[in-house]
Amino acid sequence: EADIYQTPRYLVIGTGKKITLECSQTMGHDKMYWYQQDPGMELHLIHYSYGVNSTEKGDLSSESTVSRIRTEHFPLTLESARPSHTSQYLCASSDPGGLGEKLFFGSGTQLSVL
Amino acid sequence: QKEVEQDPGPLSVPEGAIVSLNCTYSNSAFQYFMWYRQYSRKGPELLMYTYSSGNKEDGRFTAQVDKSSKYISLFIRDSQPSDSATYLCAMTRAGNMLTFGGGTRLMVKP
Repeated sequence: EADIYQTPRYLVIGTGKKITLECSQTMGHDKMYWYQQDPGMELHLIHYSYGVNSTEKGDLSSESTVSRIRTEHFPLTLESARPSHTSQYLCASSDPGGLGEKLFFGSGTQLSVL
Repeated sequence: QKEVEQDPGPLSVPEGAIVSLNCTYSNSAFQYFMWYRQYSRKGPELLMYTYSSGNKEDGRFTAQVDKSSKYISLFIRDSQPSDSATYLCAMTRAGNMLTFGGGTRLMVKP
């Protein structure tokens, strides 16, 4: 079944640790995105990719980095986690059919940095 | 001012009520309009997708677009407690990324 997967679902980690949030999709989509969302707040785009070896920063400045070595995989890395990074991180990919893109989201990673 | 405005709510209604959720926008170039539903601590899921003006119906859900007023609506008939979620509108023009509203939190009480 075509889908988009994020792991871990929940992560509690100490300040200063390096973390990688995983995102994989089986839909063959070229475009992938990372959004950050605080509870009850709006979505903020932090990174996106139009394909392999393509990565761009989004509207919201983030200390995280991303890579896109394979079409299906778009991991997000924080070199040194801080409490201000506590948030929900949502990965998405878009359906290339038609002119108005449709985003498909993963279930998200809830990150808590102590 | 944001490109897409959405009342954050919360909107509380009794089970069985007709719910109306709305967004206004300022960019007249938007052509594609979407509604996403997001349950607590989950990712948004695409609910409705429409192009240009008009209505689209899918079961208990109706999406309405009025481009002349720059106003879109989502109607939910016979609302159920399982409809309790945050509803986000989103819109774009061809080849561009989505612009999201801030979301409206809906609570349907049994």
